[in-house]
Amino acid sequence: GQQVMQIPQYQHVQEGEDFTTYCNSSTTLSNIQWYKQRPGGHPVFLIQLVKSGEVKKQKRLTFQFGEAKKNSSLHITATQTTDVGTYFCAGRPLDGQNFVFGPGTRLSVLP
Amino acid sequence: DSGVTQTPKHLITATGQRVTLRCSPRSGDLSVYWYQQSLDQGLQFLIQYYNGEERAKGNILERFSAQQFPDLHSELNLSSLELGDSALYFCASSVDDRDGYTFGSGTRLTVV
Repeated sequence: GQQVMQIPQYQHVQEGEDFTTYCNSSTTLSNIQWYKQRPGGHPVFLIQLVKSGEVKKQKRLTFQFGEAKKNSSLHITATQTTDVGTYFCAGRPLDGQNFVFGPGTRLSVLP
Repeated sequence: DSGVTQTPKHLITATGQRVTLRCSPRSGDLSVYWYQQSLDQGLQFLIQYYNGEERAKGNILERFSAQQFPDLHSELNLSSLELGDSALYFCASSVDDRDGYTFGSGTRLTVV
């Protein structure tokens, strides 16, 4: 079955540094979503990417969908302590109905 | 408030017991999903319902079952509970399969 992997598993950064997490699928995706889960909270939908090579920005967050639609990345510029949490990608396979969640990248931001 | 309501928020029960978790989806959402999240782990997909019908099944144990009622609320039944079933159980809803999921706050189940 389809597998969605994320690297790194953990990332510790100093406040103000940039952060990137990568999401890779074993199969081609129709679209991909990103979620953020704060410690003790529930996942919150951030964005959905549909087109090959698509890039979307939300303030300091930049999301990219690979040309082959098998990978994606989330980049945070100048991290803040409010960025702390686990970032999950979720990929929807071409022949599937449900999104498959990656294991997540846990981000810690040191003040 | 995400619009997805899960009850109870916390549940402590003994091994061998049976519990029912409840979820009310966001207004207008027809799809309901159940996920299990163990300590510091990812989201394990259990099952999906769409407008009352089972749509997809994930890694759901035979001891677990779910249903979606005509008013679209859903229940997840966990029976013959084991210590390893202790986890956060999230319900999520969406308009259809292609939209972003709205998660509830979860039910934290502790089996002792």
